[in-house]
Amino acid sequence: QKEVEQNSGPLSVPEGAIASLNCTYSDRGSQSFFWYRQYSGKSPELIMFIYSNGDKEDGRFTAQLNKASQYVSLLIRDSQPSDSATYLCAVKGNTGKLIFGQGTTLQVKP
Amino acid sequence: EAQVTQNPRYLITVTGKKLTVTCSQNMNHEYMSWYRQDPGLGLRQIYYSMNVEVTDKGDVPEGYKVSRKEKRNFPLILESPSPNQTSLYFCASSLRDPRGSAGELFFGEGSRLTVL
Repeated sequence: QKEVEQNSGPLSVPEGAIASLNCTYSDRGSQSFFWYRQYSGKSPELIMFIYSNGDKEDGRFTAQLNKASQYVSLLIRDSQPSDSATYLCAVKGNTGKLIFGQGTTLQVKP
Repeated sequence: EAQVTQNPRYLITVTGKKLTVTCSQNMNHEYMSWYRQDPGLGLRQIYYSMNVEVTDKGDVPEGYKVSRKEKRNFPLILESPSPNQTSLYFCASSLRDPRGSAGELFFGEGSRLTVL
């Protein structure tokens, strides 16, 4: 079992729809959770982080964390073609080490 | 402009020919790290450094060396490259060790290496 798992996709949504990206992790002691966005041919950039159970909203982005079920998700409302990218989930485990998932490719179709 | 700079961005080399990928950051960050990114495997940490003269192995250190003689620079050395080191490499930095910080890493633009 991978420490951080994401469906590689591609996840295809129409413009204006809600895109839902999911990530599960194996280390129950994980404390911090991050979403990075990586455009094709570019480097990853941090878009959100969440520490507590529940939802955290930032503009069109909402991160959701459920520690009991060991999953974290990223919702993108009113998806735009410019949101088309690979989204990397990263989890800071019990040792403090940051572990990345393989990423989910999102395609937003006009 | 705050940035992490890697060179070269693209390199094709042959098996056994030593090469160095340079990484430099201008943000006075203490923590620096090297990752490789391969399809289906995500970002895997090669080596990291928490400060000058302090380096440690990540998850996939075999075949790589690093040094941290200055705070701003963290070169990645492949003494004898092999085809399985063909990959996309990213250097990243953070103000502090991500274990004690918010975990935000600033990435360089990547270096695509092909070993024939």
